Order: sequence, then structure tokens, then C-alpha cells
Amino acid sequence: LAKTTQPISMDSYEGQEVNITCSHNNIATNDYITWYQQFPSQGPRFIIQGYKTKVTNEVASLFIPADRKSSTLSLPRVSLSDTAVYYCLVGDMKAGNNRKLIWGLGTSLAVNP
Amino acid sequence: SAVISQKPSRDICQRGTSLTIQCQVDSQVTMMFWYRQQPGQSLTLIATANQGSEATYESGFVIDKFPISRPNLTFSTLTVSNMSPEDSSIYLCSAKEGTTNEKLFFGSGTQLSVL
Repeated sequence: LAKTTQPISMDSYEGQEVNITCSHNNIATNDYITWYQQFPSQGPRFIIQGYKTKVTNEVASLFIPADRKSSTLSLPRVSLSDTAVYYCLVGDMKAGNNRKLIWGLGTSLAVNP
Repeated sequence: SAVISQKPSRDICQRGTSLTIQCQVDSQVTMMFWYRQQPGQSLTLIATANQGSEATYESGFVIDKFPISRPNLTFSTLTVSNMSPEDSSIYLCSAKEGTTNEKLFFGSGTQLSVL
């Protein structure tokens, strides 16, 4: 089971770029890296997913080095509404089995004015 | 993207009673799951709700305590039985579309407090 390690908390200011790094040293060949965002009193929301190199969508970028033992979620120009907990997950979802997904404590991002 | 409606959103219950949480998805999904999230903690998978068959429970969770139904591809219920204060938590319904889409969608959760 691929465990992940990410900072417990981060602070930033509006307009800054925020990079949250996640370590997953024992990632398996078939594992994908997925990031979720969770606001208080809400369920997690999918942000981005990748396997290798770089993935970008309308809200974030995901950087994955060649060895895939870590990944970095990049949030461009954060706003107050980006204050949330961000979870990094590693696993093989294609098999339809998320039992091997381990949710850590996530990174609590606080964006200050 | 699937939209999941979960109810009730919160409840306060007396110990020894049971609460059934409903989860409705606006589209047919292949898999539905139930999670628990203690305050300030991460998510723990309770079980996978299987359509037409018994749910698959994770270690530490049993059917007698958390009976689950899934009568069709869009609906599931989780019952928290014989509740104790230790069951106070947020319960989240989740769904996955297809076998190639790796995204998990979540409901807003049910915040349960047991007195």
C-alpha cells in the first residue's frame, strides 16, 4: 500500500503561487497520483490526477518527476477561497477498487489577505 | 460529473438508537462507497456498497453495526446501528463512474452527534 507524506499545514497570501509536495516512495507501477480538495462541512473534491511528467487543468498543475516518488501540486495565484485541506492519494483506481487508497491527514492550506 | 445528494446533512441522536443515511447520485455509477471522517482526521473507508449483493466491509467495520443497502445504480443507504458517542463523526457517501474514470465524487456528508 502506497503511503503518502505531505506537510500538515501551509500558509500563503492572496495572489501567490502555492506548491504542495507529497512524498510517495513506495508508489507502484500501476498507481496514479490524485489530489483532492476539501472545504469544511463538505466532501472532498477532485482537483487533478497524473501518472508522470506534468498535468495541467483549469485549476492546478501537477508535477511528477521521473522516479515518481514525489509529486507537487501547484496552485497559481491563490485566493481566500482556496483555503482548504488538500489530500494527496496514490493508488490504482482503474481496477475499480479504492480499498487500497490511503487518505492521510492532508495539508491544511490557509490563504491570508 | 456525478452529483451526490446525501441526507440528512446532520443529526443529533441518542445512544442506542439507529440512523439511516441516504445517498442519491444523479447518474448511474458503477461503484459506491461509504467513508467516515472523525473531526480533524482523514477519511476511513467503511465499506463498498455492491448493487444486488452484500457490501464489502473494511477491517474494523461489520455489517451488524453498519448495514448498507444498494438497491440500484444510483442509490445507497448506510445505517449506523445501536449508536454510542464513539460513532459521532462525519459520514460520507462516495461514487465512482465507470471503470476507467478514476475520479471519486463525494456527497457533502452527514455530521452525526451521539449523546
